[in-house]
Amino acid sequence: EAQVTQNPRYLITVTGKKLTVTCSQNMNHEYMSWYRQDPGLGLRQIYYSMNVEVTDKGDVPEGYKVSRKEKRNFPLILESPSPNQTSLYFCASNTGTANQPQHFGDGTRLSIL
Amino acid sequence: DAKTTQPNSMESNEEEPVHLPCNHSTISGTDYIHWYRQLPSQGPEYVIHGLTSNVNNRMASLAIAEDRKSSTLILHRATLRDAAVYYCILRDGWGDKIIFGKGTRLHILP
Repeated sequence: EAQVTQNPRYLITVTGKKLTVTCSQNMNHEYMSWYRQDPGLGLRQIYYSMNVEVTDKGDVPEGYKVSRKEKRNFPLILESPSPNQTSLYFCASNTGTANQPQHFGDGTRLSIL
Repeated sequence: DAKTTQPNSMESNEEEPVHLPCNHSTISGTDYIHWYRQLPSQGPEYVIHGLTSNVNNRMASLAIAEDRKSSTLILHRATLRDAAVYYCILRDGWGDKIIFGKGTRLHILP
């Protein structure tokens, strides 16, 4: 089954403790991206990647890192999480072309205390 | 980056058609119009997309204005399960930054 898998689904942690949210897709997609979703603000893109070792900033990249060492994986790294990064995060993938849909993961709810 | 404008919320009665509007006055000639929806407690899911011509699929229809500055997502017979946030976005090519915005929250009245 074609899918985007995020882990963990829920995480409560403390300020400053490094964390990684993993994202994996099994569709051989070139394009992967991370979004955060906050009440009243909709979905905002954090980072995206067009290929292995190629990443670009989205609208809200501050405080986040990503890496794309393999085509199927695109982890989101919070080196020193802060409470304002408490949010719902989604990973997505697609072929990269404008006429193809994005596939989203089920989301990761992060709470930074 | 091209952007879209949608109403914050809309209401419709169950079993009636729903027309969700989207304005994209700065659309470029190569931008595709995509619609997604997000059901409560789920990730966004693809609904439909188009370039110039109207499009139909099993979920909905997409009507695109002749000048492409606006589009309308049509749910032909709304059910309670269609209550969701609907996003209209533009995709302009290979590896583009994607801007979702806040979408339209659709309420379905039984």
